[in-house]
Amino acid sequence: IAGITQAPTSQILAAGRRMTLRCTQDMRHNAMYWYRQDLGLGLRLIHYSNTAGTTGKGEVPDGYSVSRANTDDFPLTLASAVPSQTSVYFCASSDSPDRATEAFFGQGTRLTVV
Amino acid sequence: AQKITQTQPGMFVQEKEAVTLDCTYDTSDQSYGLFWYKQPSSGEMIFLIYQGSYDEQNATEGRYSLNFQKARKSANLVISASQLGDSAMYFCAMREGNSSASKIIFGSGTRLSIRP
Repeated sequence: IAGITQAPTSQILAAGRRMTLRCTQDMRHNAMYWYRQDLGLGLRLIHYSNTAGTTGKGEVPDGYSVSRANTDDFPLTLASAVPSQTSVYFCASSDSPDRATEAFFGQGTRLTVV
Repeated sequence: AQKITQTQPGMFVQEKEAVTLDCTYDTSDQSYGLFWYKQPSSGEMIFLIYQGSYDEQNATEGRYSLNFQKARKSANLVISASQLGDSAMYFCAMREGNSSASKIIFGSGTRLSIRP
């Protein structure tokens, strides 16, 4: 059972480059989320999707875009990376957006923008 | 405005003692859920416990219990008989919003260190 898979595991990226972080889940969960984790700030929500075909902005959406073409995939794109986007990125999913179900997390992607 | 507040950046506790990690939240929703996650040094996020806003009893899961005080908007995590393996970051989180715009947001975390 794979659960949630994120790719790549880590990446060093030149500033100004475009980058897509991939997230795939095999649990048929409806809701998916992207977070970034920075020291002292905890996990901050970037974008979310409650069902395929819909997305919403989180706490820190600027500089990021997402799409949800199907249930399983929720890619996060940095159109033009900047050093402040250096972070650990977590993708998560939950069975339903409005039930008492916890979110399951991927292993994270460590991104360094230089 | 910050919606989940964890005021203890770091805590040190003696092994076998109980520890309380504080969490306060802010929401105007009547229906919401509260979660606690553990993140060990390896980095994975581990779900610990859940409390629904309409649950009348405090949630418990083994050595973990959630001290839910709705009027105070607090959801403190209590770990009984702490163990060395409890050393980790702990995050409080809240799900709010309706089914078409529901999101889960996190606090800044508390780093718990257990002393032998």
